[in-house]
Amino acid sequence: DSGVTQTPKHLITATGQRVTLRCSPRSGDLSVYWYQQSLDQGLQFLIQYYNGEERAKGNILERFSAQQFPDLHSELNLSSLELGDSALYFCASSVTATYNEQFFGPGTRLTVL
Amino acid sequence: AQTVTQSQPEMSVQEAETVTLSCTYDTSESNYYLFWYKQPPSRQMILVIRQEAYKQQNATENRFSVNFQKAAKSFSLKISDSQLGDTAMYFCASRPDSNTGKLIFGQGTTLQVKP
Repeated sequence: DSGVTQTPKHLITATGQRVTLRCSPRSGDLSVYWYQQSLDQGLQFLIQYYNGEERAKGNILERFSAQQFPDLHSELNLSSLELGDSALYFCASSVTATYNEQFFGPGTRLTVL
Repeated sequence: AQTVTQSQPEMSVQEAETVTLSCTYDTSESNYYLFWYKQPPSRQMILVIRQEAYKQQNATENRFSVNFQKAAKSFSLKISDSQLGDTAMYFCASRPDSNTGKLIFGQGTTLQVKP
């Protein structure tokens, strides 16, 4: 158990819908990351937050958005869902924005039908 | 573009033997970090080992060690005395930007340890 929690574990929805994935970092970690793992694209970095502020952005679609709240939990919002958005979405956290160990959550499996 | 390449999609090894997984990367940064992550069938991502580019000494963690060839931009993982529990997908990753924690992952190598 890494100490990072993600909810829900599984999510099944239809094309065109909007979903929210939630992540709680390890106690004391200020930075949160979101990654997408799919068969087509592999494991891709989406976005990083540090203490509530966006720190780095990767190949995140405009239909996706994220934020980190004052209590440091983070949410990833996916809208206008397409079949290709089906993937495993990981959240990770680290103590600082550049600390060399990220702890990954168990992931949320999103299936878009 | 900064890339990480793992050229071996699948590998297998007999229990107790040694196996080496290959990884090459491309970066223009001088200060970067390299990692190997393990993803067992449970899908949990687990850090196996990390290497700072400025350190010449190869990192070692118990049965896991790396061969870091900076000039060749090569970063291979050696697993000694392979165990059944080592069966997993292994991802090589780089952190090319020292100001962020962004990781760039390779495509992964599926390792099967056979009894």
